[in-house]
Amino acid sequence: DQQVKQNSPSLSVQEGRISILNCDYTNSMFDYFLWYKKYPAEGPTFLISISSIKDKNEDGRFTVFLNKSAKHLSLHIVPSQPGDSAVYFCAASVGSGTYKYIFGTGTRLKVLA
Amino acid sequence: GAVVSQHPSWVICKSGTSVKIECRSLDFQATTMFWYRQFPKQSLMLMATSNEGSKATYEQGVEKDKFLINHASLTLSTLTVTSAHPEDSSFYICSARSRALNQPQHFGDGTRLSIL
Repeated sequence: DQQVKQNSPSLSVQEGRISILNCDYTNSMFDYFLWYKKYPAEGPTFLISISSIKDKNEDGRFTVFLNKSAKHLSLHIVPSQPGDSAVYFCAASVGSGTYKYIFGTGTRLKVLA
Repeated sequence: GAVVSQHPSWVICKSGTSVKIECRSLDFQATTMFWYRQFPKQSLMLMATSNEGSKATYEQGVEKDKFLINHASLTLSTLTVTSAHPEDSSFYICSARSRALNQPQHFGDGTRLSIL
């Protein structure tokens, strides 16, 4: 049972445009969400997070939106740059003390120059 | 800051061999470390959670006698794949989290394990 889903395995975006990566979850107990970026043969790098008490968090070019009623979160990258090309994973956790993350299957973003 | 080093990055060995993978937090104290496994084009699957000085908690379906985890200090955790077989070939990644609340997990660069 995949509790965290990223339904788009890949996405191509022109440089300078907005990239929107989506993530859906099924467990209403999740209260902390994160986005990680991963290059081949490397570990994931933390990008941005959001707790369930917020619906938006912004850090530079990256913004995460959370829609709790729809159990949906999205990552916006504006403007997209070729260096953003990587696999993006969303992750979710339950409770403030466990920090056990459930990861989605990832979306491969390709930013075209 | 928040650098996690994992070693080795790649190992090839014969079936039946035991392989040890190290995970170190270089610039912070990691009260909790996590071990994940990733199959090609799939998600990261949590194998176990280890807290410094205590036994690891394994996820359902993960054999604790097969995957031995030791977290002897606040900066080091090890995963030993015992008597490895070809089906254990995978990409293993560790992560670490500091004592501070609401700090994310920081990941190592992973270990590609190939069992012949």
